[in-house]
Amino acid sequence: DAMVIQNPRYQVTQFGKPVTLSCSQTLNHNVMYWYQQKSSQAPKLLFHYYDKDFNNEADTPDNFQSRRPNTSFCFLDIRSPGLGDAAMYLCATSREGVRGSNEKLFFGSGTQLSVL
Amino acid sequence: GQSLEQPSEVTAVEGAIVQINCTYQTSGFYGLSWYQQHDGGAPTFLSYNGLDGLEETGRFSSFLSRSDSYGYLLLQELQMKDSASYFCAVRDTDDMRFGAGTRLTVKP
Repeated sequence: DAMVIQNPRYQVTQFGKPVTLSCSQTLNHNVMYWYQQKSSQAPKLLFHYYDKDFNNEADTPDNFQSRRPNTSFCFLDIRSPGLGDAAMYLCATSREGVRGSNEKLFFGSGTQLSVL
Repeated sequence: GQSLEQPSEVTAVEGAIVQINCTYQTSGFYGLSWYQQHDGGAPTFLSYNGLDGLEETGRFSSFLSRSDSYGYLLLQELQMKDSASYFCAVRDTDDMRFGAGTRLTVKP
């Protein structure tokens, strides 16, 4: 059973046209993360939520925003996608983060974003 | 600054043993993890070391030395399906930061 679900699997958008990627989880985990991964590179952390507390990475562009309306759902909004934003976007969860002992991240299957 | 260093590529034959090293420099440290990612797939958790020493899970083992800021992943009895990218990752407060990954190719 899928525990971290990302939709859609592939997303095509136009340059400058806002796009939203979605993630849902059935694990009831407190922490949700968004990573950007470009081909043959490490996943790069964009931001994460610990419950409702939002934590933005210092180098995450303002073009990227996130919402977490409840425990189960988290959204990544790209306000004006550029060609350089084409990548795989991975959502992940963990139970407690560093505040607990569970260090395991559960990843969704990702959304491959193309910008035309 | 923060960094995780691991080799970019490793090649080995079926049945062999391979070790993938990882050195890290982070402001906080709450453990070293390893993830496997097949092409087009999502990373999946392999192992975690919070304390010094060796952790064994089947064919995979992981080692950590906090004093050396060093760890490794050991893969034994390599199989073709082990061909994938392997990422070390360090937890820094609530963040999980990944190395650039090591692409393992297993040959017959």
